[in-house]
Amino acid sequence: GQNIDQPTEMTATEGAIVQINCTYQTSGFNGLFWYQQHAGEAPTFLSYNVLDGLEEKGRFSSFLSRSKGYSYLLLKELQMKDSASYLCAVRDSNYQLIWGAGTKLIIKP
Amino acid sequence: ETGVTQTPRHLVMGMTNKKSLKCEQHLGHNAMYWYKQSAKKPLELMFVYNFKEQTENNSVPSRFSPECPNSSHLFLHLHTLQPEDSALYLCASSPGTGDTETQYFGPGTRLLVL
Repeated sequence: GQNIDQPTEMTATEGAIVQINCTYQTSGFNGLFWYQQHAGEAPTFLSYNVLDGLEEKGRFSSFLSRSKGYSYLLLKELQMKDSASYLCAVRDSNYQLIWGAGTKLIIKP
Repeated sequence: ETGVTQTPRHLVMGMTNKKSLKCEQHLGHNAMYWYKQSAKKPLELMFVYNFKEQTENNSVPSRFSPECPNSSHLFLHLHTLQPEDSALYLCASSPGTGDTETQYFGPGTRLLVL
C-alpha cells in the first residue's frame, strides 16, 4: 500500500527553527509537495521538490532524498502566524497525489 | 485570495436531505478536484475532472454525485448521506494533471450530517 508518515503534532518557540519530517512509500514518484493549512482555511502551496536536495524560499526550505523516501520542511525565524498544519503529499506513478495526515505546528511565545 | 471559491461554507443536513456543494475557480485552470478531509486523516481524493471529463472516481459511494458543466464550475450533489460523511469537503483546481501541476484549494465546505 501507499503511505505518507509525518508527526501528528509539534511545538516550537517563536523565533526558533523547526523541522517537520515526512517519509513516504509510494508506487512511483513524480514529485513531493508541502502545503500549509491554517485552521478553517484552504491548504496553500508552499514548495515542490522532484530532485534531491534543498529548495529554499525565504524562511521556508524543503529537502528531498528520493533514495531514502524522505523529505523535511524547515521553518526558520518562527512567527506566531506559522501556527498551522503542514501537509506532505507525493505524486505517484499515476500522477495521483497521496497525502499525509498533516503535522499540527504550535508556536509558543 | 486563492481564486477558488466554495459555497456554502457550512452545511448541516439530515440523512434524508438532498443538497449540493458548489465550487468555482477563476484561474483559467482545466482540472478540478473534490477532496474529503476528516479530522487527523489524510486528504481523500474523491473525483477528478480534466477538461470537463471525469478522469478519476476513487470508489466513492453513489450518494455523492459530481457534476462539471464547464472547466470553471464543479458541483457535488449529496443525497441520503450518513453521519460518517461529516467532514470538510475541499475543492481544488490545477492548470492540468501533469507531474508539476500545483493544486490550488478553495476554503472548503464544513458538512455535518445528523
